[in-house]
Parts: sequence; structure tokens; C-alpha cells
Amino acid sequence: KAGVTQTPRYLIKTRGQQVTLSCSPISGHRSVSWYQQTPGQGLQFLFEYFSETQRNKGNFPGRFSGRQFSNSRSEMNVSTLELGDSALYLCASGRGQGISETQYFGPGTRLLVL
Amino acid sequence: DAKTTQPNSMESNEEEPVHLPCNHSTISGTDYIHWYRQLPSQGPEYVIHGLTSNVNNRMASLAIAEDRKSSTLILHRATLRDAAVYYCILSGQGGSEKLVFGKGTKLTVNP
Repeated sequence: KAGVTQTPRYLIKTRGQQVTLSCSPISGHRSVSWYQQTPGQGLQFLFEYFSETQRNKGNFPGRFSGRQFSNSRSEMNVSTLELGDSALYLCASGRGQGISETQYFGPGTRLLVL
Repeated sequence: DAKTTQPNSMESNEEEPVHLPCNHSTISGTDYIHWYRQLPSQGPEYVIHGLTSNVNNRMASLAIAEDRKSSTLILHRATLRDAAVYYCILSGQGGSEKLVFGKGTKLTVNP
């Protein structure tokens, strides 16, 4: 079974631009969560989608948004990029059946904002 | 979100057992205890999880205190590939699979 895939793996953008990251969950998984990882703040939860609906949202500004498609694939978008948005963005998929479910993480997209 | 406390770092020797502690004194009755680890340059990887009883799988064992205020991840024979940051996480958000990561414990395995 293929794992979670994220594209692109690396990205360089400049301040003020916007970026869209993509995540394909494991086949059959219905939930997708996004996390931001930086050296200073560690791993922080961004949002969680289940059956195309946002089920939970972390404490990030409105510049960060996401969506999930009917095939469970998900995208996250960051508008008006700031230097502090440089980070590793991780996507995790799960079956969506609740708090005891295992999450499977992708390799991440490393975003550098110049 | 219920919080966990872990040592910042631990060291072990190869082929010796490792006991990684986690305190979670504010755990609620419905919170599951999850352990994930993150190897260098990779996304986090599931290790084990449990609710009340001790759990074993091919990777590790999870020992949960009777009052559930602490737990210990046990790696029975550490290998160099076990060098990673280990995160102890509680999940209890009704219906949500959100994970709240702390700083974790950086495990160094010496050859």
C-alpha cells in the first residue's frame, strides 16, 4: 500500500507570494491533517479535514487555508507569504474514526521563503 | 489540550533496553496515550498507543501507570536506527484525530 505523498518536496518562494501544497493520503483514508514544523515552535497543528469538511483548526492566521476533495486528497494554501512561514509542512492521513486512530505522515514539503 | 512532560534528551547504548518516560498528570478518562517518533529528515512515525492497559507491538512496549498519570515507552533492544525524537501525545478531542506535539525526547543511541 502506497504511503502518504506530498508534493512538491521542496519549494522556494519570496515574501508576498502565495503557495499551494498537495497531499495524497493512503488509499481508503478519509481524514487528512496538516502540521507546520519549525526549529523554534516544533510541530504545530494547522487543520484537519474529514470527508471534505474542516473538523478542527489550529491557531494560525487566516492566510493559512486548506481544503479536501472528494477523493480525500487535500491541499493547503498560504497567501501573502512571510519569512516566518519557512518551515516543513507535514500532512498526515488516517481512517477518520476517532481519537485512537493511527496517523500516517508524509515526508513533508520544505518551504523556504526569501 | 492535555499536556505531557518528557525529558529533553536521553542516551542509550546499542542493544540495551531504553525506557522513555512521559508524565501526563492532567489526563482525562477518554484520552489515549500515543507515541510517535521522528527520525532525522523524515515525518513522524507511529510507534504505539494505549488507553489503560499495557500494550506491546513489534516496535515497542507501552507501560501505563495504574492512575494513568504517567507512561513509559520501552524499546527492548535499542539499535542505531532508533535514534530519533520521541513524542508522547494525548488525544481526546471528541471525534478528532488532532495530535498536539510537545518538544519530545531526543534519543541518542551509542554504538
